[in-house]
Amino acid sequence: DGGITQSPKYLFRKEGQNVTLSCEQNLNHDAMYWYRQDPGQGLRLIYYSQIVNDFQKGDIAEGYSVSREKKESFPLTVTSAQKNPTAFYLCASGLANEQFFGPGTRLTVL
Amino acid sequence: QQQVKQSPQSLIVQKGGISIINCAYENTAFDYFPWYQQFPGKGPALLIAIRPDVSEKKEGRFTISFNKSAKQFSLHIMDSQPGDSATYFCAASKDDYKLSFGAGTTVTVRA
Repeated sequence: DGGITQSPKYLFRKEGQNVTLSCEQNLNHDAMYWYRQDPGQGLRLIYYSQIVNDFQKGDIAEGYSVSREKKESFPLTVTSAQKNPTAFYLCASGLANEQFFGPGTRLTVL
Repeated sequence: QQQVKQSPQSLIVQKGGISIINCAYENTAFDYFPWYQQFPGKGPALLIAIRPDVSEKKEGRFTISFNKSAKQFSLHIMDSQPGDSATYFCAASKDDYKLSFGAGTTVTVRA
C-alpha cells in the first residue's frame, strides 16, 4: 500500500514541552510538506523540502523545526516557542500538481 | 494574509441540488488551480484542477469554471449527494511546489 503515514493520530503535551510529529511516505516523492490546519483558516504551509538534506520555511515557520535526513521521512518538531501550537497538522508529499496528504495528527497542548 | 479568498464558509444543499463554491486571487503569476476534498478526520485529496488556458473543466459531477480576467474560479457540484458532504478547499500555485489554500467551505448535503 503506497501512501503517507503520520503518527500519532492524537497527541497531548504540556505547555513548554517540545514535541515531534512523525511523517513517513513510500511514494518515492522527493518533495514533502508540513501544513497546519485551523478552523476557518484553511491549510497554512509550515515547512517544505524539495529534496533530502534541504528544506525551506513556509508561511508560518516560527516556533517549528524540521529535518530531512531520509527521502521517506520528514519529522516536524513543535517547539516551546510556538505560541499557539494546538492544531491539526498535515504532512504531504508530491509536486504542486498533486500533493498527497497523510491522515493528520491532532496536537493539543494543555 | 490569505492569497486565495474562498466563499462561502459553509453551505447546505438538498440532495440532487447544485453546490457552488467561489474563489478569488490577486497574484497573476498563479498558473495552476486545484480543488481538494477533505472528509472529517482525514487528509485532503485532490478532486479536480484547471490551468488558466481553459475556461471550464468537467469531471463527472464536478466542474471548475475559470474567469482569468476577473481572477476568479469556482467549483460546481451537480446532483449533490450525501456522500459529497465534506470540506472543499480551493488552491493556487505558481511553482512546482507551494500551494496557497483558501479557507475552506463545509458542504452539507441533506437527504
